[in-house]
Amino acid sequence: GENVEQHPSTLSVQEGDSAVIKCTYSDSASNYFPWYKQELGKGPQLIIDIRSNVGEKKDQRIAVTLNKTAKHFSLHITETQPEDSAVYFCAASNDYKLSFGAGTTVTVRA
Amino acid sequence: DAGVIQSPRHEVTEMGQEVTLRCKPISGHNSLFWYRQTMMRGLELLIYFNNNVPIDDSGMPEDRFSAKMPNASFSTLKIQPSEPRDSAVYFCASRTGTSGSNEQYFGPGTRLTVT
Repeated sequence: GENVEQHPSTLSVQEGDSAVIKCTYSDSASNYFPWYKQELGKGPQLIIDIRSNVGEKKDQRIAVTLNKTAKHFSLHITETQPEDSAVYFCAASNDYKLSFGAGTTVTVRA
Repeated sequence: DAGVIQSPRHEVTEMGQEVTLRCKPISGHNSLFWYRQTMMRGLELLIYFNNNVPIDDSGMPEDRFSAKMPNASFSTLKIQPSEPRDSAVYFCASRTGTSGSNEQYFGPGTRLTVT
């Protein structure tokens, strides 16, 4: 089955700086890569996703890049704000099954 | 538009008791998923329904767990009998099921504590 590894497990950044989270996947058949943000006591919230026919996607301050050859994808958050503090999960999927990374706890320092 | 609705939000029960978790997917979504989240194992898929039919239940840990989807707007996950190791947050998620549409939307979860 699919195995997704996520790094780092924790990330502390100064407000206004950028944050980068990296994931690798094992199954070359995976073709959909979403990112979720989970705040304390809430369910995971889909924030951005990318499909295997696209190398990069942006939505305001967040962007995701995908390298199919190397089987890795990354989340970039620019101009971080205190409300960006949360746990972020990457996932990989082929069809319906999402395989999640272990999560990255992001703390934005004011 | 209301998102995925789950109830109860918190459940505390004693070992051996039956627990029933409930989920209402987003209207118009025909795929439904139950996940379990623990510190040790992260987010795990328990079961996947498409058009109310269970398609993949390989993640259901034991026969003590069962799930049903009697109609397009309601699903239950039942644990009988419950054990302390079942303590976790259980999430329901749904998606449209339209070809090429993979986005899954999660509910707020049910935090289950079995003492």
